[in-house]
Amino acid sequence: GAVVSQHPSWVICKSGTSVKIECRSLDFQATTMFWYRQFPKQSLMLMATSNEGSKATYEQGVEKDKFLINHASLTLSTLTVTSAHPEDSSFYICSARWQGPDTQYFGPGTRLTVL
Amino acid sequence: AQSVTQPDIHITVSEGASLELRCNYSYGATPYLFWYVQSPGQGLQLLLKYFSGDTLVQGIKGFEAEFKRSQSSFNLRKPSVHWSDAAEYFCAVRSSGDKLTFGTGTRLAVRP
Repeated sequence: GAVVSQHPSWVICKSGTSVKIECRSLDFQATTMFWYRQFPKQSLMLMATSNEGSKATYEQGVEKDKFLINHASLTLSTLTVTSAHPEDSSFYICSARWQGPDTQYFGPGTRLTVL
Repeated sequence: AQSVTQPDIHITVSEGASLELRCNYSYGATPYLFWYVQSPGQGLQLLLKYFSGDTLVQGIKGFEAEFKRSQSSFNLRKPSVHWSDAAEYFCAVRSSGDKLTFGTGTRLAVRP
């Protein structure tokens, strides 16, 4: 149980285009989902906290107009990278909270490459 | 502000040998501490967590960690490493709003 999926697992896009990444909790309902960004050989950095039915809360320094987060249902959150640039290339990971405030289940991540 | 330091970027051990991965944290209150493992193509998997009580915590896959408040440490240990343990290991501390602050990770390689 407690499986989180992400789609796509990797994506290559041209500079200036937008890319949508989906995060789904497959066998549980998640009122809260988190989006992280991981640079090569570095740690995970929290980008935003997404609560179902409300606006996401972004961490300091994260451009909310660039990284659009939608948590439309209890099992789906999406991250849209708008007008992507090469510096947005990274590994994006989501997690979903279930069974208490201290338990997050992580998706396998999405590798974004912007050309 | 909370922070987590993992001093070892890369560690190589022989299969069957013991393992200790270091983690030091900085947090004003009683910390909630976690160890996660990340394997290629898979999401981070929770190995164990410490909230309170017994300072020696048992986790999955034969891992354990010891919380030492005096040293602000939460080191991960395993008595006998298996080749399948090769992965990236992250220590994390929970802060307000259920947010996790991660260390930079330690990559474990296992020699046959």
